[in-house]
Amino acid sequence: QQQVKQSPQSLIVQKGGISIINCAYENTAFDYFPWYQQFPGKGPALLIAIRPDVSEKKEGRFTISFNKSAKQFSLHIMDSQPGDSATYFCAATPGAGSYQLTFGKGTKLSVIP
Amino acid sequence: NAGVMQNPRHLVRRRGQEARLRCSPMKGHSHVYWYRQLPEEGLKFMVYLQKENIIDESGMPKERFSAEFPKEGPSILRIQQVVRGDSAAYFCASSPLSVGAGPEAFFGQGTRLTVV
Repeated sequence: QQQVKQSPQSLIVQKGGISIINCAYENTAFDYFPWYQQFPGKGPALLIAIRPDVSEKKEGRFTISFNKSAKQFSLHIMDSQPGDSATYFCAATPGAGSYQLTFGKGTKLSVIP
Repeated sequence: NAGVMQNPRHLVRRRGQEARLRCSPMKGHSHVYWYRQLPEEGLKFMVYLQKENIIDESGMPKERFSAEFPKEGPSILRIQQVVRGDSAAYFCASSPLSVGAGPEAFFGQGTRLTVV
């Protein structure tokens, strides 16, 4: 089906800790998995994305891990900072050229000093 | 280079009124997508438009909702006879030719509609 399940709904992490957000999907046609970061009152902004031909992608403190057989992917934020406090959405689409993003429900991350 | 511009940022309408939401895509972008975000929910696709064409409106409610992207001017999402359940944040995204919703698509800041 089209659903993308995201957990946890909210997350509190100490400054310097690791934030981990998980997503699972069922539609095997999904072929492109972006993560979006949204600050209050702002639109979602693309953070990092992965295709299923790789198991991991890292950009700075942000890493996506992808498990194709389990149909799961996760976002890891290393050395979490208060400025990372935002809502994070995973999404999926059948290919980077597809226009219909299917979003998870979001994870509200709070990084406390 | 200005980003995707949406206005108004906040809109309050009484039940039964019409709501008009505008979206000006980024310069050079000719594809526009509208998404709706209900409280505590992820964004849900509504409609995909190119200049003067509706490409896919499969996510639009069948009644009261319409969208257009004229040759000149912004894309408009119109909601007629609004009801409380229409209260949500409406986001527009744009992309250049034929690249869909991948890295080249950018979201605006949204219009938060409140129906009272």
